[in-house]
Amino acid sequence: EVQLVESGGGLVQPGGSLRLSCTASGFTFSGYAIHWVRQAPGKGLEYVSAISSNGGSTYYANSVKGRFTISRDNSKNTLYLQMGRLRAEDMAVYYCARARSDWYGDAFDIWGQGTMVTVSS
Amino acid sequence: EIVLTQSPGTLSLSPGERATLSCRASQSVSSSYLAWYQQKPGQAPRLLIYGASSRATGIPDRFSGSGSGTDFTLTISRLEPEDFAVFYCQQYGSSPYSFGQGTKLEIK
Repeated sequence: EVQLVESGGGLVQPGGSLRLSCTASGFTFSGYAIHWVRQAPGKGLEYVSAISSNGGSTYYANSVKGRFTISRDNSKNTLYLQMGRLRAEDMAVYYCARARSDWYGDAFDIWGQGTMVTVSS
Repeated sequence: EIVLTQSPGTLSLSPGERATLSCRASQSVSSSYLAWYQQKPGQAPRLLIYGASSRATGIPDRFSGSGSGTDFTLTISRLEPEDFAVFYCQQYGSSPYSFGQGTKLEIK
């Protein structure tokens, strides 16, 4: 079965750090770009970050640029999002999503179930 | 940054009726790189349409997409009970790959 499974969410204090993981199975992970998308409670979808299939190219939304770092380990079929200097407005469910191709300029055809990040003191 | 505006915010219809959802972009979406997603409560989004009009794998043919440039439409020809959800459009032709604010399709 083709799937993505996120982990690493939890409660963190404002200003703190957290690392999310997204583990892939059922497909050739190294052949696809992957994205992070978040959704604050009761709100819509917000695009966060992307990485190309070989990890050579990355993109960040302005809201997280300089605070978040996306990376991947194709040998482990795993995507990461290192989040730092967390703010209340970063609180959301974080989804990883697979692009339909190796370049991140494509629609997202496979989504994980999401992991919740709560930022609170 | 391309801003996507979806209308209406909420659409109340009955099973068997036709649903028409709109997505308007603040500037032209290159190469019709426009997708539609369906999200049910407590679930991740699901890809319905990509490239403005191509159905994703396993999506019933009652779902169709159309449009180009700045105006796009998702049509559900005959609503089934399982179709009621929130729908989002997304453009992936220009970074950041923005989403619309969503249209909630509810049972009348």
